[in-house]
Amino acid sequence: KAGVTQTPRYLIKTRGQQVTLSCSPISGHRSVSWYQQTPGQGLQFLFEYFSETQRNKGNFPGRFSGRQFSNSRSEMNVSTLELGDSALYLCASSPQPLREGTGELFFGEGSRLTVL
Amino acid sequence: GESVGLHLPTLSVQEGDNSIINCAYSNSASDYFIWYKQESGKGPQFIIDIRSNMDKRQGQRVTVLLNKTVKHLSLQIAATQPGDSAVYFCAEGSNTGKLIFGQGTTLQVKP
Repeated sequence: KAGVTQTPRYLIKTRGQQVTLSCSPISGHRSVSWYQQTPGQGLQFLFEYFSETQRNKGNFPGRFSGRQFSNSRSEMNVSTLELGDSALYLCASSPQPLREGTGELFFGEGSRLTVL
Repeated sequence: GESVGLHLPTLSVQEGDNSIINCAYSNSASDYFIWYKQESGKGPQFIIDIRSNMDKRQGQRVTVLLNKTVKHLSLQIAATQPGDSAVYFCAEGSNTGKLIFGQGTTLQVKP
């Protein structure tokens, strides 16, 4: 069974640009959640999608958005990039929504975003 | 506010010894707690979880202990191996649907 796939793995953007990251969950998993990982703040929850609906959102500005498609693939978008958005963006999938699960998530290897 | 913290940023152990990684949490309403392992260049990997109504749970070479009285969680790794070298995160979850992660402890295994 293929794992969670994230693309691109690395990207460099400049301030003010926007970026779209993609996540393909494990087959059969309908929940996709996104996380930002930085050395200073650790792993922070961005949002979760289940069956194409956003189920929950973390404490991030509106520049961070996402969506999920009918095949459960998900994208997240960050607009008007700031230097502080440089981070590893991880997505994770699970069969059930986070609120119904045990916390066992399957993570991808992440997309490392550098904002110059 | 809610927070999950780890007592030590780095833990260095000798190969073959047992490792204990600690975590403190503040949200007494959390339903479950999880430990993740993250190796360099990879995403976190689920190790073990424990429900809030349990005190102890064992897996393969790992044991998680939950002390709700002092809001403390620990991960014990038996016979630590070089392949156990990684950053370990604790996290807490509830029916809010959010996972709150701790900052992480780096485990270094000396041969």
